[in-house]
Amino acid sequence: GGIITQTPKFLIGQEGQKLTLKCQQNFNHDTMYWYRQDSGKGLRLIYYSITENDLQKGDLSEGYDASREKKSSFSLTVTSAQKNEMAVFLCASSGGQISNERLFFGHGTKLSVL
Amino acid sequence: SQLAEENSWALSVHEGESVTVNCSYKTSITALQWYRQKSGKGPAQLILIRSNEREKRNGRLRATLDTSSQSSSLSITATRCEDTAVYFCATDASSSWQLIFGSGTQLTVMP
Repeated sequence: GGIITQTPKFLIGQEGQKLTLKCQQNFNHDTMYWYRQDSGKGLRLIYYSITENDLQKGDLSEGYDASREKKSSFSLTVTSAQKNEMAVFLCASSGGQISNERLFFGHGTKLSVL
Repeated sequence: SQLAEENSWALSVHEGESVTVNCSYKTSITALQWYRQKSGKGPAQLILIRSNEREKRNGRLRATLDTSSQSSSLSITATRCEDTAVYFCATDASSSWQLIFGSGTQLTVMP
């Protein structure tokens, strides 16, 4: 079996700061995703990547950048942290098109902005 | 508004009882997936049901899909305390690469 590792587990930032979240997978999956989850709410797609060096915007991409330099890793950057922002960022991967595949998720990075 | 949405924000049952979580979606889909998220963890897939399937089972779990009413249900029989979690439905309504999640239903199973 494989695993998705997200670092860091907790991230505390200052308003206006640029913050980077990292994700590694050892499933050898082609597709990787970043979702944002606000308290008590569903998951909203920020970015996804269907292969190395590919980037596709989700519905929530504004305010974020992403990077897929290797098949196994996918990074997300919050370009300017918003005061009092609090959310969990979930990384996921899948083997192919999601009509046939499940998503495997990491445990998340919890972001708090002071 | 959401492409997929669970119909209840929260449900609670006692151990051993059965429970059903419902989901409605807005456009045609290739497949619908059910996920469960326990506190402090990422979601984990429970069932994937394709648009040409009407029912899928996985142990104590049973998912149904009604494409005419654009709805799905997830039933859990003989519930256990460890079934306490948030349950999401998710569809590929917008593209074959994007999975769109509903807001989730918090299920609490009491001893």
